Amino acid sequence: DADVTQTPRNRITKTGKRIMLECSQTKGHDRMYWYRQDPGLGLRLIYYSFDVKDINKGEISDGYSVSRQAQAKFSLSLESAIPNQTALYFCATSDLKSGGSQETQYFGPGTRLLVL
Amino acid sequence: RKEVEQDPGPFNVPEGATVAFNCTYSNSASQSFFWYRQDCRKEPKLLMSVYSSGNEDGRFTAQLNRASQYISLLIRDSKLSDSATYLCVVRGAPGAGSYQLTFGKGTKLSVIP
Repeated sequence: DADVTQTPRNRITKTGKRIMLECSQTKGHDRMYWYRQDPGLGLRLIYYSFDVKDINKGEISDGYSVSRQAQAKFSLSLESAIPNQTALYFCATSDLKSGGSQETQYFGPGTRLLVL
Repeated sequence: RKEVEQDPGPFNVPEGATVAFNCTYSNSASQSFFWYRQDCRKEPKLLMSVYSSGNEDGRFTAQLNRASQYISLLIRDSKLSDSATYLCVVRGAPGAGSYQLTFGKGTKLSVIP
């Protein structure tokens, strides 16, 4: 079984709809992240969480919200989806204890979102 | 200047060739450097960390030049399975709001039979 899972894997929605993307991990990591990837652009950080009680905005948090329900779960919500939120969304986890400044991020398989 | 810039690519090389990717970063306080590999429609995966002294992992060699703010990845004896997009990734200094990873746009490599 994959260590980092994302649901759904693909989603088509309409402008104005609220949707939630979910991420679960079995790695026991404290840190979790949400990124989006657009063609021709690098991955950009949306939100990150260093533990259950910690939520931080990333580079492009506008239009998104997150919830860290448990150490293993981190969900991303689009309150009112718009077409320019069409992208590939990745969840990632990391554990500072594993390598200090060299900590590795482990990515989920991604969710392809299309907003019509 | 963009935070992390990579060779534009794509690189199309024959099997067995040696290919080099370059990357520059703008934040001189950056502390950690990585190369990630991303296969088409898949998630990024760590290929290797980049250390100041340079490091090698099989056919892959990574170099860091802090003075020039330059990172490189060399792939020797290219295999078909090396075809992917290679992402240059940089981490800033703790406490500066830039501690998170910054990703380059990636360079696409196609190894041709």
